[in-house]
Amino acid sequence: EVQLVESGGGLVQPGGSLRLSCVVSGGTFSSAEMSWVRQAPGKGLEWVSGISGSGGSIYYADSVKGRFTMSRDNSKNTLYLQMDSLRAEDTAIYHCVRGWELLDYWGQGTLVTVSS
Amino acid sequence: DIVMTQTPLSLSVTPGQPASISCKSSQSLLHSDGKTYLYWYLQKPGQPPQLLIYEVSNRFSGVPDRFSGSGSGTDFTLKISRVEAEDVGMYYCMQSLHLPPLTFGGGTKVEIK
Repeated sequence: EVQLVESGGGLVQPGGSLRLSCVVSGGTFSSAEMSWVRQAPGKGLEWVSGISGSGGSIYYADSVKGRFTMSRDNSKNTLYLQMDSLRAEDTAIYHCVRGWELLDYWGQGTLVTVSS
Repeated sequence: DIVMTQTPLSLSVTPGQPASISCKSSQSLLHSDGKTYLYWYLQKPGQPPQLLIYEVSNRFSGVPDRFSGSGSGTDFTLKISRVEAEDVGMYYCMQSLHLPPLTFGGGTKVEIK
């Protein structure tokens, strides 16, 4: 069974940075495309970023382009999201998800709160 | 970006009765490979979304057969043949043909009467 466990969320001031991590077990991580999807409190789902299995292709939503950096370490079965220049509107639960066409397995998410 | 529009916003259903959710995309989701990149998810309260239907009409592993998907091009429907209490939550459609970005519908809240 595929399991995804996120960590790294918390409270940060506007303009600050956070680094999210996601450890994936089960399946073949190195061949799996991966995504981050966020959900603001009481709102719907927003895709944030996606990465190919090799890490050679990475895509971002316009809302985070230039501020967020997605990466992966296949030797550690771990996905990362470096978030810089955070804004209040980035406040959300961030889910690590396997896939970028078909999103089949989702982590529980980690809460990021951007507030002064 | 592809806009996904779901209706209705909410649905209150008597257990055992059917339910239907519509999803319309602003562009066709049919790829030249013959696949249509339309998916349905259910987010139960306090849980992450779970995949129900992939490529319009294929049930994901473990999904009860009371869930079915249909449609083509830009118009799609999720049907629950007999709603059960465990089916409450937010339902989202999603497209992944025209990415980035991958886009979701605004969601439909299903409640039990």
